[in-house]
Amino acid sequence: GAVVSQHPSWVICKSGTSVKIECRSLDFQATTMFWYRQFPKQSLMLMATSNEGSKATYEQGVEKDKFLINHASLTLSTLTVTSAHPEDSSFYICSAAGQGGNEQYFGPGTRLTVT
Amino acid sequence: TQLLEQSPQFLSIQEGENLTVYCNSSSVFSSLQWYRQEPGEGPVLLVTVVTGGEVKKLKRLTFQFGDARKDSSLHITAAQPGDTGLYLCAGEMTDKLIFGTGTRLQVFP
Repeated sequence: GAVVSQHPSWVICKSGTSVKIECRSLDFQATTMFWYRQFPKQSLMLMATSNEGSKATYEQGVEKDKFLINHASLTLSTLTVTSAHPEDSSFYICSAAGQGGNEQYFGPGTRLTVT
Repeated sequence: TQLLEQSPQFLSIQEGENLTVYCNSSSVFSSLQWYRQEPGEGPVLLVTVVTGGEVKKLKRLTFQFGDARKDSSLHITAAQPGDTGLYLCAGEMTDKLIFGTGTRLQVFP
């Protein structure tokens, strides 16, 4: 089956710093990648959709200047949380979909803690 | 506004019992998926239902998509401790997945 990895699996950073999270499709080319955020005991909320080589589309209420998304290749998308604050602490999950496919393959998630 | 409401939110049962989780919406979805998520991990796809009225079985799990493609249910027969987890429905709409509010299931031995 299709495998998606995320790195790092967890990260702790100080308030005001930036953190980059990578999402890789290991055995298929992902034309579209999705970034979700999940707060404790809550469901997944879509943050943005990115297509390879184009700008990401952000969901309403998600600050595009704070959550920078780059999808420069068919196997890698990155999410950079800029000037992180404690309220950005969350579980960030990416998913990837191949060309012509509707199914999303989810990564294992990245736990971000901002102190 | 949460488009997909799941009920119940929490369910704590004994091994061997049956249970049903509901996923309801006022919106129509082109397909609906069910996932199970364990703590600290990404969600794992259990099933995708596409046709209104469709019923799919996966061992002890039975999934049904409503006739109008607005709701779905997940029934587990003879629950086991290994079924413990967060169950999420997700509706596909304009190439995006809208996740439900989630049902946290705990099965005690």
